[in-house]
Amino acid sequence: KAGVTQTPRYLIKTRGQQVTLSCSPISGHRSVSWYQQTPGQGLQFLFEYFSETQRNKGNFPGRFSGRQFSNSRSEMNVSTLELGDSALYLCASRGLAGAWDTQYFGPGTRLTVL
Amino acid sequence: GENVGLHLPTLSVQEGDNSIINCAYSNSASDYFIWYKQESGKGPQFIIDIRSNMDKRQGQRVTVLLNKTVKHLSLQIAATQPGDSAVYFCAEEETSGSRLTFGEGTQLTVNP
Repeated sequence: KAGVTQTPRYLIKTRGQQVTLSCSPISGHRSVSWYQQTPGQGLQFLFEYFSETQRNKGNFPGRFSGRQFSNSRSEMNVSTLELGDSALYLCASRGLAGAWDTQYFGPGTRLTVL
Repeated sequence: GENVGLHLPTLSVQEGDNSIINCAYSNSASDYFIWYKQESGKGPQFIIDIRSNMDKRQGQRVTVLLNKTVKHLSLQIAATQPGDSAVYFCAEEETSGSRLTFGEGTQLTVNP
């Protein structure tokens, strides 16, 4: 099976702009989660989507939003970008690994805000 | 890499030695624990997991130990190889939730 794919891999934006990142989960996986990784804060949960519904949300401002499509692909959007939004954005899809469901990560999208 | 700037705990071992990476978790309600490996420029890669009703689980060259009394998790890597050099994260998840809470990570360096 192909792994989780994320596009684009790298992105450079300026403050005030908005950005949309895309994630395609592993085939058959219906849950997609997003995480932000920064040197200062480490890996932090943004939100999770399952069957096109947001099921869980982390402590991020409303500028961060997401959605999921009927084919389980997901997008996340960040509006009014700030310098502090520069990070690696990781998408993970959840599926069975041996005995239990677990989350598998994509390679991430590196966002740089100038 | 993604963790430059964080003062990550580091572990340096010789090739062929066994490595032990430790993690403390905080949430008593967590009942599922995972170890991930992250190489520079890549996303976290699943290594091994364990449920709270277990205290040990083994995979290929890796063993995870869970001590719920002191909220401690460890990852043992046998016969460590240069390819094992990476940052290792533990993550925890509650039964009712679907979010992973990650530890700060440990930088493992394997010297040939």
